[in-house]
Amino acid sequence: AQSVAQPEDQVNVAEGNPLTVKCTYSVSGNPYLFWYVQYPNRGLQFLLKYITGDNLVKGSYGFEAEFNKSQTSFHLKKPSALVSDSALYFCAVRDFYGGATNKLIFGTGTLLAVQP
Amino acid sequence: KAGVTQTPRYLIKTRGQQVTLSCSPISGHRSVSWYQQTPGQGLQFLFEYFSETQRNKGNFPGRFSGRQFSNSRSEMNVSTLELGDSALYLCASSRDPDRTDTQYFGPGTRLTVL
Repeated sequence: AQSVAQPEDQVNVAEGNPLTVKCTYSVSGNPYLFWYVQYPNRGLQFLLKYITGDNLVKGSYGFEAEFNKSQTSFHLKKPSALVSDSALYFCAVRDFYGGATNKLIFGTGTLLAVQP
Repeated sequence: KAGVTQTPRYLIKTRGQQVTLSCSPISGHRSVSWYQQTPGQGLQFLFEYFSETQRNKGNFPGRFSGRQFSNSRSEMNVSTLELGDSALYLCASSRDPDRTDTQYFGPGTRLTVL
């Protein structure tokens, strides 16, 4: 079965420092991986996705993610954190249903706190 | 282009009642999925619709149902509400049920069951 794990419940970083939010995956077949961000009392906002191709994926708001097949990881990164990046981040993998499906399997989420 | 809209944004119901939530996808999107978000269980898939057909269903009791209309708008219904149904219900849309396609989420409906 497809799954993703986010090993850290919370990540603390100072404004201006680089940030990393970790995600590892377990899939059968090719992984289709996504990162979403959720601000308080809001829905999920799409940041980026990996389908195929370059292992470094660039997304919205200066975020990028590195796909590493050997380590089965898809860590989210940003070179310089902003206080406004403070939010809940979710890693997700598309389920394999034996056919076309939109079902996403989400990690438990990582709360990013950026201190000024 | 307008995003995914969900109505109502907030609902308060009592146990035993039923509730209907509505979702309007992004224009041109034909696939709609629903998720439940709770502090304890996280984000869980409820069901997925495409061309008015349910294509996939999560592990929820039969009290949870949904449908999709010809204009791609979707509704979900929860009957005989229980306290544990209190959650944020999120709707997401995409063009097609293609595993590479991006799903865009609405703001959610916050359901509180008293």
